[in-house]
Amino acid sequence: KQEVTQIPAALSVPEGENLVLNCSFTDSAIYNLQWFRQDPGKGLTSLLLIQSSQREQTSGRLNASLDKSSGRSTLYIAASQPGDSATYLCAVEGNTDKLIFGTGTRLQVFP
Amino acid sequence: GAVVSQHPSWVICKSGTSVKIECRSLDFQATTMFWYRQFPKQSLMLMATSNEGSKATYEQGVEKDKFLINHASLTLSTLTVTSAHPEDSSFYICSSTRTRGFSNQPQHFGDGTRLSIL
Repeated sequence: KQEVTQIPAALSVPEGENLVLNCSFTDSAIYNLQWFRQDPGKGLTSLLLIQSSQREQTSGRLNASLDKSSGRSTLYIAASQPGDSATYLCAVEGNTDKLIFGTGTRLQVFP
Repeated sequence: GAVVSQHPSWVICKSGTSVKIECRSLDFQATTMFWYRQFPKQSLMLMATSNEGSKATYEQGVEKDKFLINHASLTLSTLTVTSAHPEDSSFYICSSTRTRGFSNQPQHFGDGTRLSIL
């Protein structure tokens, strides 16, 4: 059974810092890995999707890497801003379209 | 803009009421839609997979008679919480992907429905 864990559970940093959020999964037989952002009381916004054959994806200040063999992914946020404050979720997809979500990292960036 | 619309966004009702939540894909055909539940400060848990024109597939521990799912068209899936009780209070979120053939497409999520049962 696939299990997804995210570390840290919560993070509070001053504006401008570069951040690394970690995601680990127990079954390396994945189709892809996705990172999402969730604002309080809202749905999910897709940030990055990394296919199993890829090593990383970049979008603006975000960079996500994937090491499938070790069951790990990291989300790197450069030059963090208060608007980046949210919960970040990673999720892995197997061959059934189902997404298994991690526990999330609650990020607060203060001015 | 949003590609998945979920309605209503917020429901408060008395215990014993049945509540219907709609999930619409706005600009693509969604053969498959997913329904999740999220309790406070917890992650999303998949409840069921909704397939257009066929019965939904429920995850272990989810009562199919309690959570009725209908996926009558390629753009609409509904979740009905029957005879809701306070323990059903939660945040319900749907998602969908494009029809198969578009490999490795991200799932698009609705904005969620906060259900509060008094």
